[in-house]
Amino acid sequence: EVQLVQSGAEVKKPGESLRISCKGSGYSFTSYWISWVRQMPGKGLEWMGKIDPSDSYTSNSPSFQGHVTISTDKSFSIAYLQWSSLKASDTAMYYCARHRSGIPFMPFDFWGQGTLVTVSS
Amino acid sequence: DIQMTQSPSSLSASVGDRVTITCRASQGISNFLAWYQQKPGKVPQLLIYDASTLQSGVPSRFSGSGSGTDFTLTISSLQPEDVATYYCQKYNSGTFGQGTKVEIK
Repeated sequence: EVQLVQSGAEVKKPGESLRISCKGSGYSFTSYWISWVRQMPGKGLEWMGKIDPSDSYTSNSPSFQGHVTISTDKSFSIAYLQWSSLKASDTAMYYCARHRSGIPFMPFDFWGQGTLVTVSS
Repeated sequence: DIQMTQSPSSLSASVGDRVTITCRASQGISNFLAWYQQKPGKVPQLLIYDASTLQSGVPSRFSGSGSGTDFTLTISSLQPEDVATYYCQKYNSGTFGQGTKVEIK
């Protein structure tokens, strides 16, 4: 069974750093791209960026470029989303999602359960 | 950047009604279009990809059509469990539409 299991909720202060994770199981982790999606409270879905776990090649949305870093550790089948300096506006639910097949331009067929990040002083 | 615009933003319909949601791309996107359903408090789920291909396990009352710039998601007979927000996505760039909230009248 394909599963993406994300790390737990986080509460951080502005300026702090954070890394959240997404562990894939039940499939060949390096064969499918992973994307990250943001959902701010009461708002819609926003695509942040994607990564090819086989070689760690990334492509970010211009809206998020330079503010977040996407990476993977293929040895442990984990994808990461990282901030070096959080802002209050980063408060949101973050989802990882698997691309439907092994090419980057595919819809997302499996999603993690979401990680709620709250940034507040 | 190609923008994806959904209409309406919300709708209310009766059980058994036929419901249609529209997604318009600001430029042609061939058929790189997916639809997702997000029930309240839940994770989004893929309904349709390639504009009209039903994802495995999705009820047949859901269907998609369109190509180029104009796409539709149709629920042939609305059920109470279909209460959700529906999103289109141009998946060759990841861009989502703003969502359409579907409620039962």
